[in-house]
Amino acid sequence: NAGVTQTPKFRILKIGQSMTLQCTQDMNHNYMYWYRQDPGMGLKLIYYSVGAGITDKGEVPNGYNVSRSTTEDFPLRLELAAPSQTSVYFCASSSVYGYTFGSGTRLTVV
Amino acid sequence: DAKTTQPTSMDCAEGRAANLPCNHSTISGNEYVYWYRQIHSQGPQYIIHGLKNNETNEMASLIITEDRKSSTLILPHATLRDTAVYYCIVSSEAAGNKLTFGGGTRVLVKP
Repeated sequence: NAGVTQTPKFRILKIGQSMTLQCTQDMNHNYMYWYRQDPGMGLKLIYYSVGAGITDKGEVPNGYNVSRSTTEDFPLRLELAAPSQTSVYFCASSSVYGYTFGSGTRLTVV
Repeated sequence: DAKTTQPTSMDCAEGRAANLPCNHSTISGNEYVYWYRQIHSQGPQYIIHGLKNNETNEMASLIITEDRKSSTLILPHATLRDTAVYYCIVSSEAAGNKLTFGGGTRVLVKP
């Protein structure tokens, strides 16, 4: 099993550009999450989903949007990139046995 | 805010046991204690979790006090590859299994 796959691994955006961070899991988990991690800090929850068609805001949702049309996919959309969104983004899915995290997307907004 | 308190950092000698404490005095009855670790800039890795009984797996042991207000993660024989930031987190399925990360404990295993 691939687990949780994130693409791209690295991206540089200009201020005001938009992009979608892709996340796919093959474990049939209902719960999926997007976190961001700034340098030297812990992870902060952006959005989460408890199943297809259901999403909810986390701690830091401003500037982001998500959708969950299938169990497998949970893309994160940045509409108007800002320097404050420079961070490492982690997608994860969970079952009762714990979380599985992707390898992360390192995003720089210049 | 994170609902757990951990020491900021600790050192451990290679081959010795590493005991990582965590306080979670406001834990609710349906909340589990989870431990994750993050090696360098990789995604966090699940280690172990428990509700009230002590747990052991191939990676570590988790000791939860009887009142559930604190716990200890034990790495029985620390190796250099165990150098990482270790996060203690409480969460419940009722809360969407959401994890709230604090600062964690930065563990440095020394030769």
